[in-house]
Amino acid sequence: GENVEQHPSTLSVQEGDSAVIKCTYSDSASNYFPWYKQELGKRPQLIIDIRSNVGEKKDQRIAVTLNKTAKHFSLHITETQPEDSAVYFCAATPLYGGSQGNLIFGKGTKLSVKP
Amino acid sequence: DSGVTQTPKHLITATGQRVTLRCSPRSGDLSVYWYQQSLDQGLQFLIQYYNGEERAKGNILERFSAQQFPDLHSELNLSSLELGDSALYFCASSVTGEAKNIQYFGAGTRLSVL
Repeated sequence: GENVEQHPSTLSVQEGDSAVIKCTYSDSASNYFPWYKQELGKRPQLIIDIRSNVGEKKDQRIAVTLNKTAKHFSLHITETQPEDSAVYFCAATPLYGGSQGNLIFGKGTKLSVKP
Repeated sequence: DSGVTQTPKHLITATGQRVTLRCSPRSGDLSVYWYQQSLDQGLQFLIQYYNGEERAKGNILERFSAQQFPDLHSELNLSSLELGDSALYFCASSVTGEAKNIQYFGAGTRLSVL
């Protein structure tokens, strides 16, 4: 089955700096990669996603890149703000087939943005 | 608020006991997912239901079972509880269960097994 590795487990940056979180996956059938943000004591919320027919996707200060050949994808946050502090999870799943939608998550990255 | 409702918010019980966690999906969503979040294992997919039928199983223990009722709410039953079952249990729902549909998470049920 699918296995998702996420690095780093913790990341501390100064406000205004960029943050990068990287994930690798094992199952070549995976072709949908969402990223979730979980603030302390709250539910995971989708912040951005990417499909395997796209190499990069941006939404304001957040971008995700995908290298399907190398089986890795990354989350980039620019101009970080204190409210970006949270745990970020990457996930992978196939778009089609019996296991589609069953998100396999990385173990999370705790991002701390220092004012 | 995601529109996904989970009850109870907190549950404290003893080893060997049985508990039931309840989830009401967003209005119009047919698919329900259950996830377990623990400190050492992160977020793990347990099981998925679509319109009352089990669609997929993940790392769900045999002591755990779930069902989705005709009104689309779902229950996760945990029995013969062990200390290691202490975790945050999330329910998520999506429109059809296809991967392209966003999964909206509930606030979770925190289970403490003493």
